[in-house]
Amino acid sequence: AQKVTQAQTEISVVEKEDVTLDCVYETRDTTYYLFWYKQPPSGELVFLIRRNSFDEQNEISGRYSWNFQKSTSSFNFTITASQVVDSAVYFCALSSNSGYALNFGKGTSLLVTP
Amino acid sequence: GAVVSQHPSWVICKSGTSVKIECRSLDFQATTMFWYRQFPKQSLMLMATSNEGSKATYEQGVEKDKFLINHASLTLSTLTVTSAHPEDSSFYICSARARRFDEQFFGPGTRLTVL
Repeated sequence: AQKVTQAQTEISVVEKEDVTLDCVYETRDTTYYLFWYKQPPSGELVFLIRRNSFDEQNEISGRYSWNFQKSTSSFNFTITASQVVDSAVYFCALSSNSGYALNFGKGTSLLVTP
Repeated sequence: GAVVSQHPSWVICKSGTSVKIECRSLDFQATTMFWYRQFPKQSLMLMATSNEGSKATYEQGVEKDKFLINHASLTLSTLTVTSAHPEDSSFYICSARARRFDEQFFGPGTRLTVL
């Protein structure tokens, strides 16, 4: 069975602070995919990143960066110099195949205040 | 990019009535569509998987007679909530797997409120 744990339920930071959202996963599959999505108050899911289990390279996209460590089964997400527009719920998700259904974590609600 | 639409975006209905939600892939053929449900301040939970031309596969605990899924074409899947009750009030999100991309794309969601 697959499981995604996002231990942080809510995080509140002041604008320009860096913030890291934790994601720990469990799976018996040797091949799997990890995802991060952003869900603003409107509800629509915004895709942020997809990473397969064979690619442990960290990735940076603007103010966003991801740290994938198979040794600790973690796929953490860092926002550098946070902005008010980053306020949203962030979900980490796992699937056996990129096109298969996703197992979502419970989400982390991020509030960035001016 | 691949676009998935849902209609309606929100709906309010009376208890006991049925509501149909459409999920369309606008610019690609979707071999598989997934339906998720999200209660307020909770995560997304997979309800069912539908493949074009075949019966949907429901997750444990989801009543197939209450949540009817029809995947009549490669671009359309519908979810009908039959005899809706207030506890069915939720945010319903579909996603479509693109045959040529081997990845899935999410619709914007439908907010259902049952009075």
